[in-house]
Amino acid sequence: DGGITQSPKYLFRKEGQNVTLSCEQNLNHDAMYWYRQDPGQGLRLIYYSQIVNDFQKGDIAEGYSVSREKKESFPLTVTSAQKNPTAFYLCASSKFRGRETQYFGPGTRLLVL
Amino acid sequence: AQSVTQLGSHVSVSEGALVLLRCNYSSSVPPYLFWYVQYPNQGLQLLLKYTSAATLVKGINGFEAEFKKSETSFHLTKPSAHMSDAAEYFCAVSDNYKLSFGAGTTVTVRA
Repeated sequence: DGGITQSPKYLFRKEGQNVTLSCEQNLNHDAMYWYRQDPGQGLRLIYYSQIVNDFQKGDIAEGYSVSREKKESFPLTVTSAQKNPTAFYLCASSKFRGRETQYFGPGTRLLVL
Repeated sequence: AQSVTQLGSHVSVSEGALVLLRCNYSSSVPPYLFWYVQYPNQGLQLLLKYTSAATLVKGINGFEAEFKKSETSFHLTKPSAHMSDAAEYFCAVSDNYKLSFGAGTTVTVRA
C-alpha cells in the first residue's frame, strides 16, 4: 500500500540534544512538508520541499533543520536551539507543488525529559 | 496571504443529530479549501476538497460542505451524527504553495 510513514511514534529528547524525526513516502510525490501541532493552534508549517535537494522555511523554522537527498525521504531535525519542542509533528506530501491535496503521515509525538 | 477561522473550538451533538462545523476564510486569490479529520494521536485524513468545480462538495463518511463566496464560508455538515464522528476537524485554505489551517473544532457525540 502507498502511504507515508513516520518514525518513531514517540520520541524523548534530553536537554541540549538534537533529535531526528523520520518521514518516508512511497507515493512518488514531489513535494513534502513538516508541520507542528500544538493543542488549540491547528497546524503550523515548519519546512517544505518542492523537489529533491531543495527546501524552504515555513512559518516556524527556527530551531529546526531538514534535508531532502532522496525523493522518498524528508527527515526533520529538532535542534537544541528549539527551546519548546514538545509537540505532535506531522509529515505530509503532495503530488506537485501548489494546490494539490496534501496527504499526512501518522505523526511523531516529541516529549522532553 | 490567506487565513481560516473556525467558529467554535468544541461542538457537542447527540447521536443522529445534525453536525455543523463553521469555517470562514480569507484569500487574495480564488481559494482551494479543504476539510480534514483527525482521530486521537493520528494523522489528518482528507474529508473533502473544493476546487471551484461545484459549490456543494460531497466527501467521505457522509460529510459535505458548501462554498459560499459572498459569505467567504465553507461550512461542513453531516445530517446524522454517528459515534464514530467524534474527532477533531480542521478547515484549511491553500494558496500557491502551502496550506493554512484553522485552530480546529473538536466534536463529541452523545449517545
